Amino acid sequence: NAGVTQTPKFRVLKTGQSMTLLCAQDMNHEYMYWYRQDPGMGLRLIHYSVGEGTTAKGEVPDGYNVSRLKKQNFLLGLESAAPSQTSVYFCASSPTRPGSGNTIYFGEGSWLTVV
Amino acid sequence: GQQVMQIPQYQHVQEGEDFTTYCNSSTTLSNIQWYKQRPGGHPVFLIQLVKSGEVKKQKRLTFQFGEAKKNSSLHITATQTTDVGTYFCAGPKTSYDKVIFGPGTSLSVIP
Repeated sequence: NAGVTQTPKFRVLKTGQSMTLLCAQDMNHEYMYWYRQDPGMGLRLIHYSVGEGTTAKGEVPDGYNVSRLKKQNFLLGLESAAPSQTSVYFCASSPTRPGSGNTIYFGEGSWLTVV
Repeated sequence: GQQVMQIPQYQHVQEGEDFTTYCNSSTTLSNIQWYKQRPGGHPVFLIQLVKSGEVKKQKRLTFQFGEAKKNSSLHITATQTTDVGTYFCAGPKTSYDKVIFGPGTSLSVIP
């Protein structure tokens, strides 16, 4: 029962470095999401995907890129990390449209610090 | 744009006291979901409400959807230390491809 798996769980980056966060789900879900969570600001949507090969911008997409080459994987890239990107990142998936009442399943989170 | 607000932001209660968090949307919602996130953990789905005025219970937790489907509440009776965490409500965005989360209410329970 892996569900949604994120790697790495912890990472420290220097300003200007690049990295990719990996998300994998084994539930055959169509929809996948990347959120960031900062103190007092709840969950903010970065990018999302409604199916293999698709991506779309969320609320806070600047500085991030994503790819969904395979249905089960959703990658989040930081091209040039900035201290403002220090955050906890959650990947999530849903079988279909969550707005129709489908549950969103979250990964355990990735703690990223940019120094 | 569409907004979902929650009050209070923080709540500290003595173990055994009741707790309520309120969720308010700027738009009418077709449904609302509630999630719980334990400290250091990830959000976990609790429940979904769909009907106007709907009330659902899960043991000591009571969830209510307002008549106008623009607000919701979560009430916990006789809190326990296992209730500690942040409670989020979430409602659908217009396209239904995503939801908007409220900022959450963080509950602390003092033993």
